[in-house]
Amino acid sequence: SQTIHQWPATLVQPVGSPLSLECTVEGTSNPNLYWYRQAAGRGLQLLFYSVGIGQISSEVPQNLSASRPQDRQFILSSKKLLLSDSGFYLCAWSGVAGATYEQFFGPGTRLTVL
Amino acid sequence: KQEVTQIPAALSVPEGENLVLNCSFTDSAIYNLQWFRQDPGKGLTSLLLIQSSQREQTSGRLNASLDKSSGRSTLYIAASQPGDSATYLCFAGTALIFGKGTTLSVSS
Repeated sequence: SQTIHQWPATLVQPVGSPLSLECTVEGTSNPNLYWYRQAAGRGLQLLFYSVGIGQISSEVPQNLSASRPQDRQFILSSKKLLLSDSGFYLCAWSGVAGATYEQFFGPGTRLTVL
Repeated sequence: KQEVTQIPAALSVPEGENLVLNCSFTDSAIYNLQWFRQDPGKGLTSLLLIQSSQREQTSGRLNASLDKSSGRSTLYIAASQPGDSATYLCFAGTALIFGKGTTLSVSS
């Protein structure tokens, strides 16, 4: 069966510090991978998605970036965090063409920027 | 651009009541519609997925329907229990857009 891991579970960072959140998927090959953010009082917003190694699409202009160095690894990064980057970050995966595109989510990372 | 709306934003019911959560979308060209549950501080749990060629899906006490022509999906919960208390989110798969959710509280 497929599983998705995210770490760390919680993170408190000062403004201006760098960020690296990691997501890995097990039990599937060549998945589509996604990063979402859920800010306090707001809905879930798609940040990035990837259909393959090195292929990243950005949905929202921001000071965040994403990378996919391996087939089942997705990394969210920032060089300098802003207060507005606080939120709950969720990684998800789905099947590819011919599948249902059903999305499966990881446990999330709670980021607080002070 | 696809927009997804969920009404009501919050709902409180007594245990045992049957209830319906609503989701509307503006673009009927969706590939699928997915319902999720989110407990406070937790990730999302997939409840039901309805593909565009389907009208409904059922899992236990949950039934989700999809009407593309009217741009609506409903999640029906039968015989609600306190353990059903959570936020329910609908998701338009093609556009990768979530509604803002309905927070359900079931009292015993």
